[in-house]
Amino acid sequence: AQSVTQLGSHVSVSEGALVLLRCNYSSSVPPYLFWYVQYPNQGLQLLLKYTTGATLVKGINGFEAEFKKSETSFHLTKPSAHMSDAAEYFCAVSDTVQGAQKLVFGQGTRLTINP
Amino acid sequence: IAGITQAPTSQILAAGRRMTLRCTQDMRHNAMYWYRQDLGLGLRLIHYSNTAGTTGKGEVPDGYSVSRANTDDFPLTLASAVPSQTSVYFCASSLSGGNSPLHFGNGTRLTVT
Repeated sequence: AQSVTQLGSHVSVSEGALVLLRCNYSSSVPPYLFWYVQYPNQGLQLLLKYTTGATLVKGINGFEAEFKKSETSFHLTKPSAHMSDAAEYFCAVSDTVQGAQKLVFGQGTRLTINP
Repeated sequence: IAGITQAPTSQILAAGRRMTLRCTQDMRHNAMYWYRQDLGLGLRLIHYSNTAGTTGKGEVPDGYSVSRANTDDFPLTLASAVPSQTSVYFCASSLSGGNSPLHFGNGTRLTVT
């Protein structure tokens, strides 16, 4: 069975500082990994995904994540936080090859940006 | 604008009542999903559908039913609501395949009293 653990339910950084949101997964097969962002009163939007190939994945809004198989991690980073990055972030894993994408989500990390 | 429409936006429901949450997509995606979001638990899959005419159970299916009569619509029914079903419900859709991202609606906030 797959699972996702996001370390830290709440992360607070200053504007302009590095953002690091941690995600560890477990999967019995090579996984597909995703980061989604949720702004208040909205659904989730895809930030980036890892499927195969290059382990450093770039997404929207300056975010990137690195797949490290040896550490079973997929941490999300952004070099310089902006006030508009304040949101909730979800890491998700899937081992689906065909058919419906049955994602397993982490519990989420709320990111607060201090001026 | 292409996307997913959920209705209602919010609802207060008495325990024991029946309720159907509506979901429509116009992206011609094969797969559709219902998730519930609860604080500290992230999103959990309730039911999904690979294609029109087929449905499957997710992680937390008890107390919920779905149907998929056509590609666009995927309603979620609570036959007899209970307070533990108070949650925010998200409908999503995707192309088939493991690397296809999900597209989410804006959610339905349901309170069962």
